[in-house]
Amino acid sequence: AQSVAQPEDQVNVAEGNPLTVKCTYSVSGNPYLFWYVQYPNRGLQFLLKYITGDNLVKGSYGFEAEFNKSQTSFHLKKPSALVSDSALYFCAVRPHMLTFGGGTRLMVKP
Amino acid sequence: EAGVAQSPRYKIIEKRQSVAFWCNPISGHATLYWYQQILGQGPKLLIQFQNNGVVDDSQLPKDRFSAERLKGVDSTLKIQPAKLEDSAVYLCASSLDSGAGANVLTFGAGSRLTVL
Repeated sequence: AQSVAQPEDQVNVAEGNPLTVKCTYSVSGNPYLFWYVQYPNRGLQFLLKYITGDNLVKGSYGFEAEFNKSQTSFHLKKPSALVSDSALYFCAVRPHMLTFGGGTRLMVKP
Repeated sequence: EAGVAQSPRYKIIEKRQSVAFWCNPISGHATLYWYQQILGQGPKLLIQFQNNGVVDDSQLPKDRFSAERLKGVDSTLKIQPAKLEDSAVYLCASSLDSGAGANVLTFGAGSRLTVL
């Protein structure tokens, strides 16, 4: 069975500082990995995905994620956080059904 | 392109009543998904359709939940009778692929159910 773990319920960061939201996964075979963001009263929006190739994936709004096969991790990063980045972030894994982690709330303070 | 449409956005019912949610996916998307998102948790897949066939409904509480996608386009999710623990946001999503690939799922805004 595949699974995703997001070990931090909340991440706090000051505006302008770098941010990291952690994700580890468990899946048989090669994973397809995704990050989605959810703003209040909105559906999930796709940020980026890893399929194969370069371990550093760039996505929307300046976000990027690093795939690490040996550590089975796919951490989300951004060099300089904005207050508007404050939202709920979900890591997810495929193949088979898209399985989500429990989510991490990112709070960026001015 | 138009997104995934869901209705109603909000619904409040009493326990043991019934409720239905409707979803219209992005045109041309073969695969449609219903997810349940309980407050403070990640979305959990309830059922996955490819065209009008069920691919996975292993996590659907079949004693009270049902879903259909009769013509392979829009879909309805029904709960009857509702329980307090069914209070959640019901998210519909669609994707181009058969459901096992790397295509992105596009989500609707969700239908928020409150069971009193």
